[in-house]
Amino acid sequence: QSVLTQPPSASGTPGQRVTISCSGSRFNIGSNTVNWYQQLPGTAPKVLIYNNNQRPSGVPDRFSGSKSGTSASLAISGLQSEDEADYYCAVWDDSLNAWVFGGGTKLTVL
Amino acid sequence: QVQLVESEGGVVQPGGSLRLSCVASEFTFSSYAMHWVRQAPGKGLEWVGVISYDGASRYYADSVEGRFIISRDNPKNTLYVQMSSLRAEDTAVYYCAKSRVVNFAFDIWGQGTIVTVSS
Repeated sequence: QSVLTQPPSASGTPGQRVTISCSGSRFNIGSNTVNWYQQLPGTAPKVLIYNNNQRPSGVPDRFSGSKSGTSASLAISGLQSEDEADYYCAVWDDSLNAWVFGGGTKLTVL
Repeated sequence: QVQLVESEGGVVQPGGSLRLSCVASEFTFSSYAMHWVRQAPGKGLEWVGVISYDGASRYYADSVEGRFIISRDNPKNTLYVQMSSLRAEDTAVYYCAKSRVVNFAFDIWGQGTIVTVSS
């Protein structure tokens, strides 16, 4: 069981907006910034959002992140077929002195 | 371009040992913290451990503490993980990744290498 809780699946049609949640505690999300990773099928993960809401260069502005209290969210607007992937939240946990990942959310574009 | 390349994994018997390496290129390796992250077949990502830029600090997941040792050779731009007392549940794709400091986002990942623990 993951320290961070994500829904196992999400779906949407092309053009729609989808959000993926990530719930934690005061020791992790409540204390540190959240990062989101995208893992396309058969590939290594890549950073999508860092420091709660920052996008690395090359990541489309369709992707956005937010954080409130002990929860965070990833929003994808203008959904495209190539967004079909697994998405993970991750944050440093001060009580564990360790990084923790959410269980991952499989996004399906219908 | 900035790149991380893991060594080939392999098949190891339970209780055995294996060392993985990760060679960095096109960035100042000695300035960055380095991580190992693994993914069991069909499962999610699991952080294994991290070493600071100078090797002075290391942190491990509880699941590998006391069995895995992460080290680095900065002049050789190489990261290592020495895995001992391997168990079936250590079977996974192992990725190395870099971050600015220990508790910052992993901005570059290697392609991963498969380790199978089986008799």
